[in-house]
Amino acid sequence: KNEVEQSPQNLTAQEGEFITINCSYSVGISALHWLQQHPGGGIVSLFMLSSGKKKHGRLIATINIQEKHSSLHITASHPRDSAVYICAVTDQIGSNYQLIWGAGTKLIIKP
Amino acid sequence: NAGVMQNPRHLVRRRGQEARLRCSPMKGHSHVYWYRQLPEEGLKFMVYLQKENIIDESGMPKERFSAEFPKEGPSILRIQQVVRGDSAAYFCASSPLGADYGYTFGSGTRLTVV
Repeated sequence: KNEVEQSPQNLTAQEGEFITINCSYSVGISALHWLQQHPGGGIVSLFMLSSGKKKHGRLIATINIQEKHSSLHITASHPRDSAVYICAVTDQIGSNYQLIWGAGTKLIIKP
Repeated sequence: NAGVMQNPRHLVRRRGQEARLRCSPMKGHSHVYWYRQLPEEGLKFMVYLQKENIIDESGMPKERFSAEFPKEGPSILRIQQVVRGDSAAYFCASSPLGADYGYTFGSGTRLTVV
């Protein structure tokens, strides 16, 4: 079993829909990261969370430490949001830069 | 305020040649991390460097791969005598004071070995 599990693996939605991507992890963590990888391949760090909720524009990330679960929400989705969204955690036990990566969720937003 | 700059974006090398990948961290960032993404796989940690020091290279293959982050200039990931299996995307990230302060990623260098 992977230490970081994302769901769904693939998600296709219409423009304007509310999007939720989930991430569950099985290790103790010091932080959880959400990243975005565009078709061109570049990676953008969206959020780093250790508790609660963060918001940036149309993106919202939440984390529940007790349940070892995080969600990334996109409101009013747009075709430019189409990308792979990756959840990664830094392990409390290991070195905090050795991210443990989820497999990613491929999101396609259709106009 | 330029982000993390990696160059080249694309690099083609013949088997047996050397590949040199460069990463200039964000201004004010003194911690650099290199990751490799093989086709259809997630990113794998390779090496963590601070200026003039290798902090952790536990993810680096033991042979042919080396990394440096000199006092002046970019961090360099060097792959000697490349093989087809080295074809991958190599990403660099930087942080100001350590990973707890968040990462900024570069756009990556896509290495193709022919």
